[in-house]
Amino acid sequence: ETGVTQTPRHLVMGMTNKKSLKCEQHLGHNAMYWYKQSAKKPLELMFVYNFKEQTENNSVPSRFSPECPNSSHLFLHLHTLQPEDSALYLCASSQQLAASTDTQYFGPGTRLTVL
Amino acid sequence: AQKITQTQPGMFVQEKEAVTLDCTYDTSDPSYGLFWYKQPSSGEMIFLIYQGSYDQQNATEGRYSLNFQKARKSANLVISASQLGDSAMYFCAMRAASSARQLTFGSGTQLTVLP
Repeated sequence: ETGVTQTPRHLVMGMTNKKSLKCEQHLGHNAMYWYKQSAKKPLELMFVYNFKEQTENNSVPSRFSPECPNSSHLFLHLHTLQPEDSALYLCASSQQLAASTDTQYFGPGTRLTVL
Repeated sequence: AQKITQTQPGMFVQEKEAVTLDCTYDTSDPSYGLFWYKQPSSGEMIFLIYQGSYDQQNATEGRYSLNFQKARKSANLVISASQLGDSAMYFCAMRAASSARQLTFGSGTQLTVLP
């Protein structure tokens, strides 16, 4: 396994479903991120974790619930989503959080469709 | 606050020719990093090249080079000898030391390489 992996790659869910997105990084990094990429919009940072601790929540609705059990794994739990939540969800990791030189490496994304 | 502007929504280039993708940025922080990412239609965000605000020389990585003009606040990506596989969306991003959690992305440029 290399880099950052995400599962599933595609997900279709109804508004009443509960599902989880998984991200795993094999780079030995300490910081992990969730981004949302909607059509024709710039990437939106959702959550940031540093050494398993959440350091940023960019006013994300509570129907999105992140979990970071260790520095290598990051989950995004989804419940009662809305159709406007349909988007590409990207996970990223970086070596350290507070450095402008620090490069974020992204996973392949989960393309989510909410019906 | 940081801002990235990419003024070219779409660009076309003939195979084997060079192409320049424009990026301007705005920040009051003297310490920052500039990044370029490539996003093919599959969705994965692939890191290409990094330039630090204090770097004296322009960054180069294989066929990618960054034309960094600090006074103009521009960080254009130059791709030499374009290949069909270079067709993708390209994003310029910035991370300032004062808000290192935040990687600010531009709106992207869709590059199409013509055979």
